[in-house]
Amino acid sequence: EPEVTQTPSHQVTQMGQEVILRCVPISNHLYFYWYRQILGQKVEFLVSFYNNEISEKSEIFDDQFSVERPDGSNFTLKIRSTKLEDSAMYFCASSELETQYFGPGTRLLVL
Amino acid sequence: GDSVTQMEGPVTLSEEAFLTINCTYTATGYPSLFWYVQYPGEGLQLLLKATKADDKGSNKGFEATYRKETTSFHLEKGSVQVSDSAVYFCALYDGGTSYGKLTFGQGTILTVHP
Repeated sequence: EPEVTQTPSHQVTQMGQEVILRCVPISNHLYFYWYRQILGQKVEFLVSFYNNEISEKSEIFDDQFSVERPDGSNFTLKIRSTKLEDSAMYFCASSELETQYFGPGTRLLVL
Repeated sequence: GDSVTQMEGPVTLSEEAFLTINCTYTATGYPSLFWYVQYPGEGLQLLLKATKADDKGSNKGFEATYRKETTSFHLEKGSVQVSDSAVYFCALYDGGTSYGKLTFGQGTILTVHP
């Protein structure tokens, strides 16, 4: 069964460093998403992406965040200058229509 | 804006007990409703969904009915197993007001003892 994959599974970085989280969506899906879950809190929407552009973003998704689909298979989330409060689990999801399928997540720890 | 409220957890049950996890929502459009499950150390897995009023979603013995009149989508299972121990998230997609965004409840931790 097709699934969304994410790399790395864990990342530790120093405050102020740039990180890139990678995702491979399900191959025939056209809509892509990033969410995050701070430990013990709700899963929060960050951004949705369709037809090579952002279709919606939340107030969390400020100028330090960017997304890209650099080729036909990968979907990336870049955090330019990480802050302590960026520590969270980041989930990628993809969908053909409205049902979203999630990857296993990347746990990001900012020290 | 859209919101989802789940019953406070954690919920602790004995094996074979009946499970209900309450979920209510507010939305400006006509949302689709979902239950996702997160097993320890894993990501979110779609458990079931319902796309219109009175639809019943079901999977792996779990059921939920979309009740528009009470704006609810309660999750039920007749006989839980230890392997059902996980965090359960209710979520909605309101295609009428936002493109693709899922709004999640806070999650309910379920622990099932033998």
